[in-house]
Amino acid sequence: DGGITQSPKYLFRKEGQNVTLSCEQNLNHDAMYWYRQDPGQGLRLIYYSQIVNDFQKGDIAEGYSVSREKKESFPLTVTSAQKNPTAFYLCASSVGRTGANVLTFGAGSRLTVL
Amino acid sequence: GQNIDQPTEMTATEGAIVQINCTYQTSGFNGLFWYQQHAGEAPTFLSYNVLDGLEEKGRFSSFLSRSKGYSYLLLKELQMKDSASYLCAAMNSNYQLIWGAGTKLIIKP
Repeated sequence: DGGITQSPKYLFRKEGQNVTLSCEQNLNHDAMYWYRQDPGQGLRLIYYSQIVNDFQKGDIAEGYSVSREKKESFPLTVTSAQKNPTAFYLCASSVGRTGANVLTFGAGSRLTVL
Repeated sequence: GQNIDQPTEMTATEGAIVQINCTYQTSGFNGLFWYQQHAGEAPTFLSYNVLDGLEEKGRFSSFLSRSKGYSYLLLKELQMKDSASYLCAAMNSNYQLIWGAGTKLIIKP
């Protein structure tokens, strides 16, 4: 079955450490996204990519970095510059970015900074 | 500014009907989405409306009024498994999704 795989599901990080969250899709989707979900807030877009080797900043890109070397993969690195990284991170993909842009989400990665 | 408003929490009884409202303000409009998210899980797509009116899909229906900036999700014959958060998201003219904070629906027996 096609889908999006995120790993790890739970991650603990000490302050000052960088961590990388994995996102892999086998849906042959062109567009991929990273969202952050915090209690009481709507999903906030961190980065998105519409094509291999190209990506764009979303609303809250500071302290995060991404790469898109393969169509299937869109890893997110949470750097030590991110001041409040404890959150639930969701990776998503879609056929394209325009029109009836239905997103398929991964199961999420919960990051806790100790 | 751009924003989405939806109730924080609603409670309903198994077998009943519930309507979850969503109002939006966006720069241009390219459609409105509803997603369901069970606690700790991925959101899953429920519906997409871009024209005014009601779209029915089994027990779930979604309504849109573009002139009022208003949508609702109607859930009929509620089941315990419908306990979840329901996320409303509007797409603006730049194809950017603006998300509401979600409505947590609690179903009681």
